[in-house]
Amino acid sequence: DIQMTQSPSSLSASVGDRVTITCRASRNINIYLNWYQHKSGQAPKLLIYNAFTLQPGVPGRFSGSGSGTEFTLTISRLQPEDFATYSCQQTYNTPENFGQGTRLDIK
Amino acid sequence: QLQLQESGPGLVKPSETLALTCTVSGASLNGTYSTGGWVRQSPGKGLEWIANIDYIGHMYYNPSLQSRVTISADTSKNLFSLTMHSVTAADTAMYYCARRPFSIGAFDIWGRGTMVTVSS
Repeated sequence: DIQMTQSPSSLSASVGDRVTITCRASRNINIYLNWYQHKSGQAPKLLIYNAFTLQPGVPGRFSGSGSGTEFTLTISRLQPEDFATYSCQQTYNTPENFGQGTRLDIK
Repeated sequence: QLQLQESGPGLVKPSETLALTCTVSGASLNGTYSTGGWVRQSPGKGLEWIANIDYIGHMYYNPSLQSRVTISADTSKNLFSLTMHSVTAADTAMYYCARRPFSIGAFDIWGRGTMVTVSS
């Protein structure tokens, strides 16, 4: 199985800040990496697929980069609605494991 | 627009079988060449992928759960289902169904989830 490790596990930031979340795969997954935003009581929301492709409708302040084993999700200017949990998922092969999640809180 | 809605029992006793259904509305999975999947989140933990079924009917399972779960689809009713046998307290979680379109390798549409508690 390919293990996905996110860092940090939690993060405090302020509106307007730039934040970066890292996801590392235990082996090469090419660009088959997705990012989701998850809020309590709501369905997870796809933000980015294939490492860097922005899902239609997702604000441009979200961006993804990386390939192979290291990936990042960047939010350029945090908005109040961005405080949530973010998870990465590899779809290079099964099981399509997720990272453990990064909780983004308001400082 | 395609929407997904999970349904389930809410409460299941240990050792019993859990049956979940994901009803698809607004379009069909096989008509859009999509894959349906199940993902869960146990309290305080991250998301866990359970299984997928593609538009041809091929099934893919998480090896950690494969011995206890079955995913199936009923294209005539536009739904797909998950059955999990011999549940334990560790299976207490929010269960989500989701859709992956043929064109991208990610779940782009999710249901709101159904909470399942395993308790006697």
